[in-house]
Amino acid sequence: ETGVTQSPTHLIKTRGQQVTLRCSSQSGHNTVSWYQQALGQGPQFIFQYYREEENGRGNFPPRFSGLQFPNYSSELNVNALELDDSALYLCASSLAGTGIYNSPLHFGNGTRLTVT
Amino acid sequence: AQKITQTQPGMFVQEKEAVTLDCTYDTSDPSYGLFWYKQPSSGEMIFLIYQGSYDQQNATEGRYSLNFQKARKSANLVISASQLGDSAMYFCAMRGPGNSGYALNFGKGTSLLVTP
Repeated sequence: ETGVTQSPTHLIKTRGQQVTLRCSSQSGHNTVSWYQQALGQGPQFIFQYYREEENGRGNFPPRFSGLQFPNYSSELNVNALELDDSALYLCASSLAGTGIYNSPLHFGNGTRLTVT
Repeated sequence: AQKITQTQPGMFVQEKEAVTLDCTYDTSDPSYGLFWYKQPSSGEMIFLIYQGSYDQQNATEGRYSLNFQKARKSANLVISASQLGDSAMYFCAMRGPGNSGYALNFGKGTSLLVTP
């Protein structure tokens, strides 16, 4: 069973630039979600995709956008980067419809983004 | 809105001893799931244990058990026979209809250090 993989592992960008982070879901999972984890904090929900459509969103501005592809892999795009966007970005996958409350999310190792 | 509170920023425990990590939650939803995750310095979020709001028995997974007290809205994690490899951040999280897309809502975490 292949776990959740994210790329790249580290990234340094300049304020105002755009960035794309990638995620491959765990084998058999059809739902992918993205979380932002600032230093010393718990992860914060950005958004979730199911069947290539966004079906949930946290309190993040529209410059955070995403895609889910037919093979359930996903991208997180952030435009007009700000210094506060520096964080660990975690991708998680799960299988929808198997009991939403008891279905744990399986996370990747994350992408550490630094904005200078 | 759902809220998770972890009041212990840091904990120390000696190897082979048991340790309890505290978690309280607040929700108006009758149906919800409670999760504990471990995050080593590598960044990956590792699922440890789950407790459903209607479960009568406390959840157990190997050395991990969850002390679920529904009336007090607490879901403490107990780690028995601590090992050096247990040193990590530990996050309590909740999943329920109160969150967009049934996202996980995390606490701020507790840093656990296991000493020889």
